[in-house]
Amino acid sequence: AQKITQTQPGMFVQEKEAVTLDCTYDTSDPSYGLFWYKQPSSGEMIFLIYQGSYDQQNATEGRYSLNFQKARKSANLVISASQLGDSAMYFCAMRGRPGTYKYIFGTGTRLKVLA
Amino acid sequence: DTGVSQDPRHKITKRGQNVTFRCDPISEHNRLYWYRQTLGQGPEFLTYFQNEAQLEKSRLLSDRFSAERPKGSFSTLEIQRTEQGDSAMYLCASSPPTGGTYTGELFFGEGSRLTVL
Repeated sequence: AQKITQTQPGMFVQEKEAVTLDCTYDTSDPSYGLFWYKQPSSGEMIFLIYQGSYDQQNATEGRYSLNFQKARKSANLVISASQLGDSAMYFCAMRGRPGTYKYIFGTGTRLKVLA
Repeated sequence: DTGVSQDPRHKITKRGQNVTFRCDPISEHNRLYWYRQTLGQGPEFLTYFQNEAQLEKSRLLSDRFSAERPKGSFSTLEIQRTEQGDSAMYLCASSPPTGGTYTGELFFGEGSRLTVL
């Protein structure tokens, strides 16, 4: 069975500093996709970044980068130069092999950026 | 705004009543998903449509839950005889056909929050 684990219920970071949010996953599928979403207090899930299981390079998207360590089954999100607007819940998610559409989400990490 | 829209945003009901939520996906998206999110948890998959066909349904979706997407456009999620345990945020998401540069991310609405008294 597929599983996503986020072990940090809450994190604090000083404005302008970098922060790493942890995510580990478990799957027996050789082909899968990993996603990070941000959920502000308004409730909408906002897609941040994607990493495919066969991608050779770590994904980057602006201030977001994904530290993908396949052997360790980890896909940590790194946010550089944190901003007050980054305060939100962050969810790691996984999609299984192509043809499956049941995305699995972790329990999330609440990030608070301090001024 | 042409994102995913959900209605109502908030619903308070008494136990035993029926409730219905509506989701309008992004117009060119053929896939539509319903998720449930309880406090302190990540979204849990409920069901998935491709066009009008309901292709996958979670065991979380008891007989009291039914979802439809009659013309492959908007979708409704109905909960009959609500229970207090149904209190949650119900999230709808959509996605386009695969291909091109699309990487598979879901496009979510802002959710419909249900409170059952």
